[in-house]
Amino acid sequence: ETGVTQTPRHLVMGMTNKKSLKCEQHLGHNAMYWYKQSAKKPLELMFVYSLEERVENNSVPSRFSPECPNSSHLFLHLHTLQPEDSALYLCASSQEVSWGEQYFGPGTRLTVT
Amino acid sequence: AQTVTQSQPEMSVQEAETVTLSCTYDTSENNYYLFWYKQPPSRQMILVIRQEAYKQQNATENRFSVNFQKAAKSFSLKISDSQLGDTAMYFCAFRVYSGGGADGLTFGKGTHLIIQP
Repeated sequence: ETGVTQTPRHLVMGMTNKKSLKCEQHLGHNAMYWYKQSAKKPLELMFVYSLEERVENNSVPSRFSPECPNSSHLFLHLHTLQPEDSALYLCASSQEVSWGEQYFGPGTRLTVT
Repeated sequence: AQTVTQSQPEMSVQEAETVTLSCTYDTSENNYYLFWYKQPPSRQMILVIRQEAYKQQNATENRFSVNFQKAAKSFSLKISDSQLGDTAMYFCAFRVYSGGGADGLTFGKGTHLIIQP
């Protein structure tokens, strides 16, 4: 695998389910990010991790719970979501948290029913 | 807070033509980066080109070049000899150099570019 990978690519879940999104970066980067991309809206930054420590949480509801067990892996745990949470969730990584470009995974298309 | 504005929701040009996508931004910071990302129908966000604010020379990557006007806070993308594979959403993005802090990218709403055969 190369670059940034995400699984699953598509997910349909009910409002009472619990699921997790997984992201893995094969670039040796130190920072990882979760973004939400909804229709007709700009990408929204959700969480930032630097060397496995969360450094930014952009006022995201607690039904989204991130986890970063090491600098290569990032998870987004989902529970009791709302239909408005349906979106494309993108993971990204960068060499350092404070500068430079970010490289993105292919995203997980989430539908909440 | 930073804002990024892309005023062209959609553009359409013929194959082999040159097209320019516009982007303006607003910031009080002096050290920052600007990027253009491409998102084709496959949804993979791909970095097209980057520009450091301290560099006066405009960045170029093969058929892609930028016109960076720092005083005007403008960052346009020019695509020369456009190809069918250039059809995609193009996002302008901004990132502060935060010197040890943490920041993500601030994105514009995107321009849907269609290359017609």
